[in-house]
Amino acid sequence: AQSVTQLDSQVPVFEEAPVELRCNYSSSVSVYLFWYVQYPNQGLQLLLKYLSGSTLVKSINGFEAEFNKSQTSFHLRKPSVHISDTAEYFCAVSGTGFQKLVFGTGTRLLVSP
Amino acid sequence: DGGITQSPKYLFRKEGQNVTLSCEQNLNHDAMYWYRQDPGQGLRLIYYSQIVNDFQKGDIAEGYSVSREKKESFPLTVTSAQKNPTAFYLCASTKDRDSQETQYFGPGTRLLVL
Repeated sequence: AQSVTQLDSQVPVFEEAPVELRCNYSSSVSVYLFWYVQYPNQGLQLLLKYLSGSTLVKSINGFEAEFNKSQTSFHLRKPSVHISDTAEYFCAVSGTGFQKLVFGTGTRLLVSP
Repeated sequence: DGGITQSPKYLFRKEGQNVTLSCEQNLNHDAMYWYRQDPGQGLRLIYYSQIVNDFQKGDIAEGYSVSREKKESFPLTVTSAQKNPTAFYLCASTKDRDSQETQYFGPGTRLLVL
């Protein structure tokens, strides 16, 4: 079975500052890793995912995450945030084959001017 | 436009009442999922279906029921046995059963108890 830990429930940051949202996972098998974003009162949208290959994956809006197998982490980073990045971010993990997604508890990113 | 629709956006339930949440997708996806979202707890899987006429319990299935009579539809019934139903309910789908596939989410239904 897999599990995900997002230690930070809320991360406040000023506009144009860098940010890192932490995600650690636990699994005894190979995994796929995902970051989803949720804007208020909406469903989740995929931000980026790691399946295999390059350990650094990037989204179209400037976010990136690096898969670190030795530290079992998949932290999300952005070098300069915008007000519009204010949202809740969920890290998720699944095993290969048909296995359900397991979500972390989420991190609320609050960007202020 | 292809996507997932959920209705209603808000739903009120009285004590002892069963209520049904609708989820429809026109993405031609085989697999569909229901999640419950509570503040500070992330998303928890209620039920999932890999194919028409087949579904499995997730982590918190007690007090809920589903059906999958059509590929595009996966309604969730919250029964009177669910003692704490107030939550945000999210439906999702994937192209097939492979877990590397992206899950696409609907806009959600917020269920409140009167």
